[in-house]
Amino acid sequence: TQLLEQSPQFLSIQEGENLTVYCNSSSVFSSLQWYRQEPGEGPVLLVTVVTGGEVKKLKRLTFQFGDARKDSSLHITAAQPGDTGLYLCAGFNAGNMLTFGGGTRLMVKP
Amino acid sequence: KAGVTQTPRYLIKTRGQQVTLSCSPISGHRSVSWYQQTPGQGLQFLFEYFSETQRNKGNFPGRFSGRQFSNSRSEMNVSTLELGDSALYLCASSLKREIGDTQYFGPGTRLTVL
Repeated sequence: TQLLEQSPQFLSIQEGENLTVYCNSSSVFSSLQWYRQEPGEGPVLLVTVVTGGEVKKLKRLTFQFGDARKDSSLHITAAQPGDTGLYLCAGFNAGNMLTFGGGTRLMVKP
Repeated sequence: KAGVTQTPRYLIKTRGQQVTLSCSPISGHRSVSWYQQTPGQGLQFLFEYFSETQRNKGNFPGRFSGRQFSNSRSEMNVSTLELGDSALYLCASSLKREIGDTQYFGPGTRLTVL
């Protein structure tokens, strides 16, 4: 079973601070995705990274895929209250099944 | 374009009962996947259907089953409910469900088993 471990599990910060969320595995994934989920809603896809070492930016969010395609990180610059939510990483395995990490619950206080 | 819809949104059942949840994918999407989300186990893959055929199955007991209709709508059924089946059940649709294909999630059905 391929597992994805996210850290930290919980993060509470003040508006304007920077933060990084990590997603680690001992297995190689063909691609990895990051989602954000808000209460009462399903996860919404933020980004897909495919190539080892790839870096993608989405406004204040920067996503990185590890060189060995076993880990990824999400960095948020100058966090805002609207960034509050559950951040999930998910990896596709060879069987084209998505395995999700446990999630990082982020709260940004104004 | 309408998003993924799931019905009902909330459901309360008692142990031993069975339940059927429904998912209507985005128009034109042929792949539907089901996930179970709990505080302890997180989001876990249940199964995936494409063109009425189950293509992938997660590690869940046989009490969990599903099907897909010719219009791509999908249902999942849980028989002989247990307390541990209390969870948010999410459905996601995509065009083809290939690697990296964008999945669009519905709001989920929150099932409570008493």
